[in-house]
Amino acid sequence: DTEVTQTPKHLVMGMTNKKSLKCEQHMGHRAMYWYKQKAKKPPELMFVYSYEKLSINESVPSRFSPECPNSSLLNLHLHALQPEDSALYLCASSLRGLRAYQAGNTIYFGEGSWLTVV
Amino acid sequence: AQSVTQPDIHITVSEGASLELRCNYSYGATPYLFWYVQSPGQGLQLLLKYFSGDTLVQGIKGFEAEFKRSQSSFNLRKPSVHWSDAAEYFCAVGAQGMRFGAGTRLTVKP
Repeated sequence: DTEVTQTPKHLVMGMTNKKSLKCEQHMGHRAMYWYKQKAKKPPELMFVYSYEKLSINESVPSRFSPECPNSSLLNLHLHALQPEDSALYLCASSLRGLRAYQAGNTIYFGEGSWLTVV
Repeated sequence: AQSVTQPDIHITVSEGASLELRCNYSYGATPYLFWYVQSPGQGLQLLLKYFSGDTLVQGIKGFEAEFKRSQSSFNLRKPSVHWSDAAEYFCAVGAQGMRFGAGTRLTVKP
């Protein structure tokens, strides 16, 4: 079972709000990812947690703050977002941590959280 | 850096016709290559992957892809397209965190 669960599925927030996106997997995967996807564009990597430590931050603005409370959970805290941050936010996970990616690290995606900033 | 290129932004095929979606990669060694499909409003579903070994890989939903080192390609094929195959298709390389091509949108005509 390759299931990554994201909540909420839809979120509308004002530019002064603080909200969070949540992601959960119970497959024993050791790496978790956040991607941002704008309409008609490919997903863009934002953050990678490997073995519960932040391994990659793709120069994402500080108004996006990731958190990995344990190996099964990944949060994305949102604060003072801009309308251009409206997008589909995808969570993903892979069995191995990044240091083993050369062995072929298949990434499994959740259904995404649709974020609208007004 | 590893990257993939999908030359076709949009392809239209008739239902029942064969399909080939192109993907070219840029990497010196053997890359780890993937094809994902995304239906409107949905997340990404893995169709197939290539790590090593047999260069023709079989995936779900009747798709297959062939790795050709001499052409730096990993094209996706299906012998007979169904209307439900209409979606966005992404080729990806398994670099740190997976890097995607721009995608190819497939439209299926009745």
